[in-house]
Amino acid sequence: DTAVSQTPKYLVTQMGNDKSIKCEQNLGHDTMYWYKQDSKKFLKIMFSYNNKELIINETVPNRFSPKSPDKAHLNLHINSLELGDSAVYFCASSQALGGPEFSDTQYFGPGTRLTVL
Amino acid sequence: DQQVKQNSPSLSVQEGRISILNCDYTNSMFDYFLWYKKYPAEGPTFLISISSIKDKNEDGRFTVFLNKSAKHLSLHIVPSQPGDSAVYFCAASENFGNEKLTFGTGTRLTIIP
Repeated sequence: DTAVSQTPKYLVTQMGNDKSIKCEQNLGHDTMYWYKQDSKKFLKIMFSYNNKELIINETVPNRFSPKSPDKAHLNLHINSLELGDSAVYFCASSQALGGPEFSDTQYFGPGTRLTVL
Repeated sequence: DQQVKQNSPSLSVQEGRISILNCDYTNSMFDYFLWYKKYPAEGPTFLISISSIKDKNEDGRFTVFLNKSAKHLSLHIVPSQPGDSAVYFCAASENFGNEKLTFGTGTRLTIIP
């Protein structure tokens, strides 16, 4: 039973197109994230939502827009796709408890490999 | 500006020996550190963590050591097993929370049977 799922797993599209990647978690977590792993394997946070509210919004072009219809879903819409958007995008979720003996962590989806031609 | 660095992109270790993966960070505000393991075509999975109030945390074959003065942490795996072959990411966050993780670029560990 998949905890964090993403669709599609692979996405190949032309420059200038608009596309969406969907993410769903069935863990009952309050917080969801989008990460981008670039060609240098660097995993960088893009957005974080807590109970449908935007918490973290890193320096990301405004062509990227996250949408959270409910706390179990966080979708990523990308407008006017560019070559540099080619990457693997990971969704993650957590309960975000905090504290020095914090043992909770983020659970990642399998990733979506986006290729822009 | 890479605040979390894993300077060894790859590491090969004989089965049964100790694997030591290293991670350095520059942000002195980081106070919580995690290691993730990633197999090909899968998302990273949590392995072990440590908060800055400790210098060592152990979980079975995995031990993480934190040297705050050197801004350095390491992951020890002993004994190494073939199933440990994967990419290992070091990550860090501020305020003991995990809302915003900063990741290193990963180290590919290959265990040689």
